[in-house]
Amino acid sequence: AQKVTQAQTEISVVEKEDVTLDCVYETRDTTYYLFWYKQPPSGELVFLIRRNSFDEQNEISGRYSWNFQKSTSSFNFTITASQVVDSAVYFCALSEADSNYQLIWGAGTKLIIKP
Amino acid sequence: DGGITQSPKYLFRKEGQNVTLSCEQNLNHDAMYWYRQDPGQGLRLIYYSQIVNDFQKGDIAEGYSVSREKKESFPLTVTSAQKNPTAFYLCASSIDVGPGNTIYFGEGSWLTVV
Repeated sequence: AQKVTQAQTEISVVEKEDVTLDCVYETRDTTYYLFWYKQPPSGELVFLIRRNSFDEQNEISGRYSWNFQKSTSSFNFTITASQVVDSAVYFCALSEADSNYQLIWGAGTKLIIKP
Repeated sequence: DGGITQSPKYLFRKEGQNVTLSCEQNLNHDAMYWYRQDPGQGLRLIYYSQIVNDFQKGDIAEGYSVSREKKESFPLTVTSAQKNPTAFYLCASSIDVGPGNTIYFGEGSWLTVV
């Protein structure tokens, strides 16, 4: 069974629309960490956020926000007022003791923002 | 500038040849990693190193080798034993291999077998 599931393979929206990328994870550990990375067409993965399992506060950074819900094992990412520069592949990842804290990656969601 | 430098960006290999991908970091990180990414796929861990002169196999180590003689450097050799080496390779580093440490990535290297 996949430990990190990003069910949306590809999402396409028009610029200025809001868009939410889903991430569902599975772990038996009580202490774990969740990450989001952005991979633009250039290829480099850019770190966006890290959240530990004890902090369920939602986070907002500019147009980006993250909703962490332990009850549903989800860590969703929302971009408000999307821009063409947001076009990229976005990866969710899990770090847990069971996996020796190596990152377990989702398959990624390709986000296309059309002008 | 602090960061992770990978070279070359693009590399072509003939079948049967070994090739080495370079990775250098000046972040003073103890841990370094190599990942492979195939088109439309997530990342898979090849090898990682927690400290100089030490490295561990990841999920897909067969056909690859690494060395860690210096803290700053973690080169990856793709050997002829790797049957399907065409992929995008990403080097990364973190302060150490500890719970929740953020991993930072280089710009990646494209390897194509011709």
